[in-house]
Amino acid sequence: GENVEQHPSTLSVQEGDSAVIKCTYSDSASNYFPWYKQELGKRPQLIIDIRSNVGEKKDQRIAVTLNKTAKHFSLHITETQPEDSAVYFCAATPGFQKLVFGTGTRLLVSP
Amino acid sequence: DAGVIQSPRHEVTEMGQEVTLRCKPISGHDYLFWYRQTMMRGLELLIYFNNNVPIDDSGMPEDRFSAKMPNASFSTLKIQPSEPRDSAVYFCASSFGGEDQPQHFGDGTRLSIL
Repeated sequence: GENVEQHPSTLSVQEGDSAVIKCTYSDSASNYFPWYKQELGKRPQLIIDIRSNVGEKKDQRIAVTLNKTAKHFSLHITETQPEDSAVYFCAATPGFQKLVFGTGTRLLVSP
Repeated sequence: DAGVIQSPRHEVTEMGQEVTLRCKPISGHDYLFWYRQTMMRGLELLIYFNNNVPIDDSGMPEDRFSAKMPNASFSTLKIQPSEPRDSAVYFCASSFGGEDQPQHFGDGTRLSIL
C-alpha cells in the first residue's frame, strides 16, 4: 500500500523566513497531493493541493512542488508569520478516494 | 454551508461502555470518511462510504468498532465495548466523488475512555 514519509518532524523559523516541508510517497499510482494545516485543538484544514499533471502551484505565500519521477512533493511557505505556526500534514491519494497522510510537521514561527 | 458537523465534541466515559459518535456530511457530498488521530499513530483512515455504502473498512481496528450510514446526511461510528486505548480524536470528513476532490473535515470528537 501507499506509504507517505514527511520531514522534518519539527521546524522552527524566525518570522519572515521561509519554511520548506518535504514528503515522499511510494505508490506511483498516486495522483493527488493535498496539504492540510492543523492548529492546536482544531480540525485539519486544506490549504493547497496539487494534481499529478502539474509541477507547481502557488497561492499567495504558499507553494507546492511535485516531482513525480522522484515521487516527492514539497510545501513552501514564504515570509512566515506567527499565525503560520501549526502542524502541517501532507497526503497522497493512491486511488479509490483514499488519503494516506504523512506523520506531520510541527512548524513554529517565532516573532 | 455549515460544513461537516460532528457530535459530541467531547466524550468522557468509563471502560466497557458503548460510545456512539455522529457525523453529518456537507450536503451533496457523496463520500464520507472516519479518521482517528493519536500522537502515536497520527491520522488513520478507519472506514469510508460512497453513497451510503461502506467501501473500505480495512482501517477499523477490531470488531469492537462499527460504522453505519443509514442515509446521505448521517453516519455513526460506534465502539462497544470501549477501552482506554480507544482514547483519541475522531474526525469525520466528506467530499465529492473523484480522486482529486478535497476532503473537508469536521471539528472532531475528543474521546477519553477512563
